[in-house]
Amino acid sequence: GAVVSQHPSRVICKSGTSVKIECRSLDFQATTMFWYRQFPKQSLMLMATSNEGSKATYEQGVEKDKFLINHASLTLSTLTVTSAHPEDSSFYICSASTGRIYEQYFGPGTRLTVT
Amino acid sequence: AQKITQTQPGMFVQEKEAVTLDCTYDTSDPSYGLFWYKQPSSGEMIFLIYQGSYDQQNATEGRYSLNFQKARKSANLVISASQLGDSAMYFCAIPIQGAQKLVFGQGTRLTINP
Repeated sequence: GAVVSQHPSRVICKSGTSVKIECRSLDFQATTMFWYRQFPKQSLMLMATSNEGSKATYEQGVEKDKFLINHASLTLSTLTVTSAHPEDSSFYICSASTGRIYEQYFGPGTRLTVT
Repeated sequence: AQKITQTQPGMFVQEKEAVTLDCTYDTSDPSYGLFWYKQPSSGEMIFLIYQGSYDQQNATEGRYSLNFQKARKSANLVISASQLGDSAMYFCAIPIQGAQKLVFGQGTRLTINP
């Protein structure tokens, strides 16, 4: 089955620093990757859509200068949380798609804690 | 715009019983699909089942089946012979306007009691 990895799985950083989260499709090429955010006891909310070689498309209300997304290859997308604040603490999950609408695979998630 | 609703915040079921998790949706897309995911406490999203709106038969995957009723705009997940390991959050999701990005329901926390 298709495997998507995320690194790191957990990260604690100080307020004001930047954190990079990687999302990799290990055994397939992902035409599109998605970044979601999940607060405790809430549902997943889409942050942005990332296509290889082009600028990410952000959902309404998501600050693109704060959440930098780079989709460098068909197997790697990165999310950088810049100048992190405690309110950015959340669970960040990526998913990768082969292009078929029913083939979307999620990574294991990254738990970010900003102190 | 797509909207998806899960009206059961929590459910408690006795082990080995069947359980139905409700999901209703609203979409203007003529063609769409419904996903169900399981999220255990570890946080990973585990794909359970998918059905497209034009599929004639309800989808089944092992103990999981989708009770898809288009006229009622519902796509309930049925888990047969529940197990303790089924305790988790369950989310239904629908793609947004034919794209691959998903909008998720609020989730249902399922607890299986021994």
